[in-house]
This record gives sequence, structure tokens and C-alpha cells, in this order.
Amino acid sequence: QSVLTQPPSASGTPGQSVTISCSGSSSNIGRNHVYWFQQLPGTAPKLLIYRSDQRPSGVPDRFSGSKSVTSASLAISGLRSDDEGYYFCGAWDDNLYVFGAGTKVSVL
Amino acid sequence: EVQLVESGGGLVQPGGSLRLSCAASGFAFSTYSMTWVRQAPGAGLEWISYINSGSTSILYADSVRGRFTISRDNAENSLSLQMNSLRVEDTAVYYCVKSGFDYWGQGTVVTVS
Repeated sequence: QSVLTQPPSASGTPGQSVTISCSGSSSNIGRNHVYWFQQLPGTAPKLLIYRSDQRPSGVPDRFSGSKSVTSASLAISGLRSDDEGYYFCGAWDDNLYVFGAGTKVSVL
Repeated sequence: EVQLVESGGGLVQPGGSLRLSCAASGFAFSTYSMTWVRQAPGAGLEWISYINSGSTSILYADSVRGRFTISRDNAENSLSLQMNSLRVEDTAVYYCVKSGFDYWGQGTVVTVS
């Protein structure tokens, strides 16, 4: 059972928006930044969002992150077929780093 | 261009040992902390170890503490993970990750069976 809680799946049609939640506690999200990772089939994870709401260069602005108290969200707008994959949240929790179990995003 | 290339994975029997390496290039390796993350087949991501730039701060997940040892050689731009007393549940793809989780290697497969 993961320390950070994510829904197992999310879906939408091309062009729609999808939001993925990540629920934690005061020891992780409550006091540290949240990171979001995208893992497409057969590839290594890729950083999508850092410091809760910052996008690395090269990540489209269709991806946005937010944080409130002990929860965070990743929003994907203008959903595309190549967005299909798994999305993981992560945060420091005292002296260890914890990940959510991942959310599988499907484009219908 | 930042590159992280893992090596050293393979098939090992329970109780055995393996040493993973990660060759880093394209950035000032000696100034960044590094992390190992693993992913079991069909499962999510699991953080297993962290080392700061000067090797003065080292952290481990409970699942590997006492069996795995992280180390680095800043002169050689390399990161290592010595894995002892391996268990079936250590079977996973092991990723070398740069500070801030902004760059990941392609992973090396460890199978304990």
C-alpha cells in the first residue's frame, strides 16, 4: 500500500481534460514539494512537474500541477493519444522518498 | 546532453550479490546528489537509496537497509549500488536518477530466481 494515494485509472477522449489526484499527509505533501512523472509504455519515467507546479523545459503547458495542504493534482488538458501511460506522484517524507501507486491514463 | 547509463544487472540466485553501476555524463556529476529507484514487474516505482554530492548523507528504504550499499566516485562520474543477500522480491528494473529526479537512466534488469 503506497503512502501517497492515487486513483488507479483515469480516461478521456482526445481534446478533453483529465485531472489526477495525489493524496498524502502532513509528513510528505504537507511539508514538501510534489513531483509528477510520466511513464509511457516500455520507457523510463520522465519528470513532468517539479516543486508542485513547475514544468521542466520541453514539457508542454498542457500539463499543470497544483498543491493544497496535503493533496496535489496533475491536470492534462487537450488530451492526446500519446499521453496514454502511467502517471506517478512523489514527495519526500522525512528521510525517504515516497511514490503513489500510479494512475493509468487511457485515451478513449 | 545528460546521460545516465546503468549496467551490472542480470540473473542471480536468492542470497546472491550483484553490483550495479551508473555512468554519468553531460553534467557536473560531483555537485549533484543521486538516487536509485526500482520498479518490479507490473508494479509502481520504489525509491531505494539516496547519496548526496559528497557522500556525507546516505539514505535507504527500509526494504533494502542493511543489504544494499550506495556509493559514488566523483572522479569517475559513477554511481554504484552493491546489492547483497538478494531476495526474489528484489527483482526489478533499477534506475539511476539525477538530483531533482529530472534525468533517469534507461534502467538495468535484476532478476532474483
